[in-house]
This record gives sequence, structure tokens and C-alpha cells, in this order.
Amino acid sequence: QKEVEQNSGPLSVPEGAIASLNCTYSDRGSQSFFWYRQYSGKSPELIMFIYSNGDKEDGRFTAQLNKASQYVSLLIRDSQPSDSATYLCAVPPGGGATNKLIFGTGTLLAVQP
Amino acid sequence: KAGVTQTPRYLIKTRGQQVTLSCSPISGHRSVSWYQQTPGQGLQFLFEYFSETQRNKGNFPGRFSGRQFSNSRSEMNVSTLELGDSALYLCASSLAIGQGAGNTIYFGEGSWLTVV
Repeated sequence: QKEVEQNSGPLSVPEGAIASLNCTYSDRGSQSFFWYRQYSGKSPELIMFIYSNGDKEDGRFTAQLNKASQYVSLLIRDSQPSDSATYLCAVPPGGGATNKLIFGTGTLLAVQP
Repeated sequence: KAGVTQTPRYLIKTRGQQVTLSCSPISGHRSVSWYQQTPGQGLQFLFEYFSETQRNKGNFPGRFSGRQFSNSRSEMNVSTLELGDSALYLCASSLAIGQGAGNTIYFGEGSWLTVV
């Protein structure tokens, strides 16, 4: 089992729809969870981070965390063509003070105009 | 507020040469991490530094090394370059170390290394 798993996609949604991106992780000791957006040829850009179970909203983005199920998701409301990118889920390993991130392979999102 | 700055942005090296990449973290940030990104392996952790000490190291050969200076700036070095070292090398900085709330991790634009 991979440490951080994401569906590689592509996930295709029409403009204005809700895009739902999912991530599962294996380390129960992980405490914080990050979503990065990466456009082709660019570096990862932090979109959201979440530490507590439940939902965290920031504009059109909502991160959802369920530690019991080891599952974190990112919802993008009113999807725009400019949201088309690869979305990376990143999780620090549990058990120590570290900023090391373990990344999933990323989900490619394509928003169709 | 300036972001994470990496230099050089693009470089081409010959197999067998060595390369040094530089990273200046966000002002006030003391933690610097390095990652390698390739199409086949994705983003992989190389090492992290905090207050000039290497705190963690990824599963890379000894040809990959790094260091951090007293001003938190960091360099990584790859010796005896191989074709497979062609990648985007990313530096990330954060204020502190650990998974406390608010300790977010920001990436620089990366250094694109091509080995021919």
C-alpha cells in the first residue's frame, strides 16, 4: 500500500460544477494535511491545509478530513477552466518533528468550458 | 514579502559533472526542505534542514548532499551527475518544524536540471 494515494485521473468536470478530489493515507500518526495545485511546468502552490477533523472552507475550496477513515478530500465549487491543473495531496509522516512531506501522485483535473 | 527563491532556474550539465543549487527561504523561515520531481517518480523528499542541522534525509544516494547556512539559506549539491538526475528540484520553506497548526510549507519555483 502506498503511503499517500490519489486517483491519477484525469478528472473531467464541466465549468461551474463541483470537482471532488480524494486522497487516502496510511500513517495514522499524521496530523496535518496539505493540498497543492501544480500547473504544468510550474512549482506546487499551496491551496489548503487542514489539521482537524471536519471541513475547512476557503473561498471556492473546501478541505474535508476524516482521520478515522484516513481520508482527506478537496472540493472545488464553481470550477473554472483556470482550475485545470494537477492537485497534489501531501502528508507529513507521524511520529516526529519534521516538515518532510509525502506526496501522492496527484490528480489531473480538467475543467471543460 | 518575497517568496522562496531558487537559483539557477534552468541549467544543463554533462554526465559526470557536479551541480550546486541554491535556495533562499521566506524571510524569517528557518526550515528548508528539498525535493526532486520527475515524471516517473513524482515528488520525492531529499532532505530537510533546520537551524543548520540536517533533520531528515530521503532515500537518495550519497551523491546528493546539502547544507544550510546561519542565515537559513540552503544549498544542495549533486556530484557525478547521471542522466536520471534530470529533474525539477524544489526547495520548500516553513517557519518552524513539526505539524503544529499554522506551520505551512511553501515551495519555490524550482531549478530545472537537464543532464546530457
